[in-house]
Amino acid sequence: SQQGEEDPQALSIQEGENATMNCSYKTSINNLQWYRQNSGRGLVHLILIRSNEREKHSGRLRVTLDTSKKSSSLLITASRAADTASYFCATSPSTGTASKLTFGTGTRLQVTL
Amino acid sequence: EAGVVQSPRYKIIEKKQPVAFWCNPISGHNTLYWYLQNLGQGPELLIRYENEEAVDDSQLPKDRFSAERLKGVDSTLKIQPAELGDSAVYLCASSLGPGETQYFGPGTRLLVL
Repeated sequence: SQQGEEDPQALSIQEGENATMNCSYKTSINNLQWYRQNSGRGLVHLILIRSNEREKHSGRLRVTLDTSKKSSSLLITASRAADTASYFCATSPSTGTASKLTFGTGTRLQVTL
Repeated sequence: EAGVVQSPRYKIIEKKQPVAFWCNPISGHNTLYWYLQNLGQGPELLIRYENEEAVDDSQLPKDRFSAERLKGVDSTLKIQPAELGDSAVYLCASSLGPGETQYFGPGTRLLVL
C-alpha cells in the first residue's frame, strides 16, 4: 500500500520557472526521502530529510518537512528540461525497520523549453 | 563504479508461463530489495534481504512468487505461473546496510499476455 500522496499528480512548467511538489503521509516517520525517475529508468535518490529537520538544501533542490502536518514539499528552482521526470517521496517509519521505505504515488513534472 | 544491474530489461510472456528476473547489486552492498511498480504508481516492496537472509517478505505473494539470494550477492525473483495482473516493472535496489540510501537498477518491464 502507498504511504503517501504527492500533489499535484502532474505539473507542466517552462524552463527557468520553479517547480513545487508536495507529499503527505499517514504515519510517524524516521526520515523522508525524495527520488526522481526518468521515463523507463530506475529511481535516483535526491535528498533525505530527518524527522528532526525542517528544511534541507541540495543544489537547486529545497525540501521542507512539517511533521505536525505530516507533509513535505520539494522545490526545484530554475528548472531545466532535464528535470522532466516523475518525483516520488518515500518515508521510513519511526518504528520497525528503517529500511522499509514506503513510496507515494508520484508527481509527473514536464519542463518545456 | 557500476550501479545495480538487472536483466532482462524487457520480457513478454503468455499467462501461466514462468518468468525469472536477475539482479546484481552494487559491490559491497549487503542489503538487497525487490520492488514492484505498477503503471502510474510508486514502487512497493516485495522482499528485502540482509546478505542471504530474507528479513522482510511480508508483501511477497508466496503462492506464485519466490526469490533467492544464495551467496548473498546476486538475486533472482521468479513468478510461476504468471498472471495478467503481474504486468509491471520489477525493480531491484541495494544499499550498504539497513537504513542506508537505496540505489535502484533500471528495472525489468514485464508484460503478460
